[in-house]
Amino acid sequence: DAGVIQSPRHEVTEMGQEVTLRCKPISGHDYLFWYRQTMMRGLELLIYFNNNVPIDDSGMPEDRFSAKMPNASFSTLKIQPSEPRDSAVYFCASSLDGVNYNEQFFGPGTRLTVL
Amino acid sequence: DAKTTQPPSMDCAEGRAANLPCNHSTISGNEYVYWYRQIHSQGPQYIIHGLKNNETNEMASLIITEDRKSSTLILPHATLRDTAVYYCIVRVQHNTDKLIFGTGTRLQVFP
Repeated sequence: DAGVIQSPRHEVTEMGQEVTLRCKPISGHDYLFWYRQTMMRGLELLIYFNNNVPIDDSGMPEDRFSAKMPNASFSTLKIQPSEPRDSAVYFCASSLDGVNYNEQFFGPGTRLTVL
Repeated sequence: DAKTTQPPSMDCAEGRAANLPCNHSTISGNEYVYWYRQIHSQGPQYIIHGLKNNETNEMASLIITEDRKSSTLILPHATLRDTAVYYCIVRVQHNTDKLIFGTGTRLQVFP
């Protein structure tokens, strides 16, 4: 398996533009997570899905952020409009719906820079 | 989930054992101890987890004190590639599956 795939790996955009980050989880995994990492706030959970359904979006910073999972193999995180403070590395992770073992597998991340 | 306390940084000589401590004095009886690490510019990587017994796998060993208020991650023979930030996380093992990352310990392995 190729692991969790994220695209693009790097994104540079200007303030006010729409940004879409993409994630392909590991095949067969039931959970998908979106995290954001900054120097100031560390690694924080934004939202997670179980079987394509959003379960907890309490970490989504504001209405400018939205996430979707239209099927088991694809998810997007959208920021509209983007702001410089959204600059961060965004990670996607997936895991099995295991009873006793909940290792999360992380993708390589998308480094977002908003100018 | 219980909070954890880790030293911000540690050094270790290559080939020696790296012992990374974690305090979790408010841990509940049903909370597990998880360790992840993050090598620079990569996503976090799972290392090991345990409830109350010591655990060992191909990457590391996890020693949990009898009262479960603290634990130690041991990398038996540290290499330069083990240089990373190590996160200790305690969480209930159920299907909400949330990991809450603290600030971790930055381990520097030197030649």
